[in-house]
Amino acid sequence: DAGVIQSPRHEVTEMGQEVTLRCKPISGHNSLFWYRQTMMRGLELLIYFNNNVPIDDSGMPEDRFSAKMPNASFSTLKIQPSEPRDSAVYFCASSHRVIGELFFGEGSRLTVL
Amino acid sequence: AQTVTQSQPEMSVQEAETVTLSCTYDTSESDYYLFWYKQPPSRQMILVIRQEAYKQQNATENRFSVNFQKAAKSFSLKISDSQLGDAAMYFCAFPNEKLTFGTGTRLTIIP
Repeated sequence: DAGVIQSPRHEVTEMGQEVTLRCKPISGHNSLFWYRQTMMRGLELLIYFNNNVPIDDSGMPEDRFSAKMPNASFSTLKIQPSEPRDSAVYFCASSHRVIGELFFGEGSRLTVL
Repeated sequence: AQTVTQSQPEMSVQEAETVTLSCTYDTSESDYYLFWYKQPPSRQMILVIRQEAYKQQNATENRFSVNFQKAAKSFSLKISDSQLGDAAMYFCAFPNEKLTFGTGTRLTIIP
């Protein structure tokens, strides 16, 4: 299995631009998680899906952030408009079930200038 | 609230020696899992070891083992025969509905 695949690995953009991060979970996993990692706040759960349905989005910072999972093999995290404080590494992870071992992607490093 | 605490921001160990990383957690549940994840400079999070709370036996994976004290809500990671490749951030994680992570311990291996 290829593991969790995220793209892009690196993204540099200017404040105000739209950013879309993509994730392909491991086939057969029915839970998908988006995390954000910063030095100041550590690892924060933004949102998670179970069977393509958003279960908890209370970690999404504000309305500028949105996430979708149109099918079992694809999810996006969108930031519009982006701000410098959004600069972080964004991880996608998938699991067989909501409470269990997570398999992480390699992360997308976002820099907003 | 369910929390995870790692009280050691940084640790260092001589190559081939043993090091123990601490983790405490808080929960009112009786049956759960606990995990240790490793994040090397490549930044990908890798599962090191897991412990099921209902099992009294401490989990072991090669050079990695845990000391699980359920009553004390303590879940420490012991790395034996430390190797240069063990240098990384180590995160303790408690899989409640949000898989809460500790703040991490940066482990340095001294050659």
